[in-house]
Amino acid sequence: GAVVSQHPSWVICKSGTSVKIECRSLDFQATTMFWYRQFPKQSLMLMATSNEGSKATYEQGVEKDKFLINHASLTLSTLTVTSAHPEDSSFYICSALRQNQETQYFGPGTRLLVL
Amino acid sequence: LAKTTQPISMDSYEGQEVNITCSHNNIATNDYITWYQQFPSQGPRFIIQGYKTKVTNEVASLFIPADRKSSTLSLPRVSLSDTAVYYCLVGERGNEKLTFGTGTRLTIIP
Repeated sequence: GAVVSQHPSWVICKSGTSVKIECRSLDFQATTMFWYRQFPKQSLMLMATSNEGSKATYEQGVEKDKFLINHASLTLSTLTVTSAHPEDSSFYICSALRQNQETQYFGPGTRLLVL
Repeated sequence: LAKTTQPISMDSYEGQEVNITCSHNNIATNDYITWYQQFPSQGPRFIIQGYKTKVTNEVASLFIPADRKSSTLSLPRVSLSDTAVYYCLVGERGNEKLTFGTGTRLTIIP
């Protein structure tokens, strides 16, 4: 149990295009999901907290208009990188907070490369 | 959120027991200690969580002294596949924010 999936696992896009990444909790419901970004050889950095049915909460320095987050159901959150630029190239990881256990379970990550 | 301090890296031989210690001097009363493992290009994987004394599961053990200012993750008889980065996190159980430190890069030597 406690499986979180992400789609796509990797994506290459041209500068200026938008990319949508999906995060799904497959066998449990998650009212709260999180989005992280990880650059090579660095630790994970929290970007935003996604709550089902409400607006996401963004960490300081993260542009909410650039990284659009939608948490439409108890099992799905999406992150859209709008007008992507090469500096947005990174490894994006989501996690879902499992209720009762109150533990975050992470997805496998999505590697984004912007050319 | 309590800050954690871990060794940047560790090496160990296959078959050995590995102990990774994490310092969290400012841990709060309601805080739990959670360890994650991360392989390259993968999301972190939950290993173990505890509040005090000792917790054991099929993968690892977690030792927490009475003052809770530190904790030790113990991996029994490591293999090459245990080479990964291990993160120690401290926070109120169910707390929405996890602050990842630098983690400990564990390398298992054949």
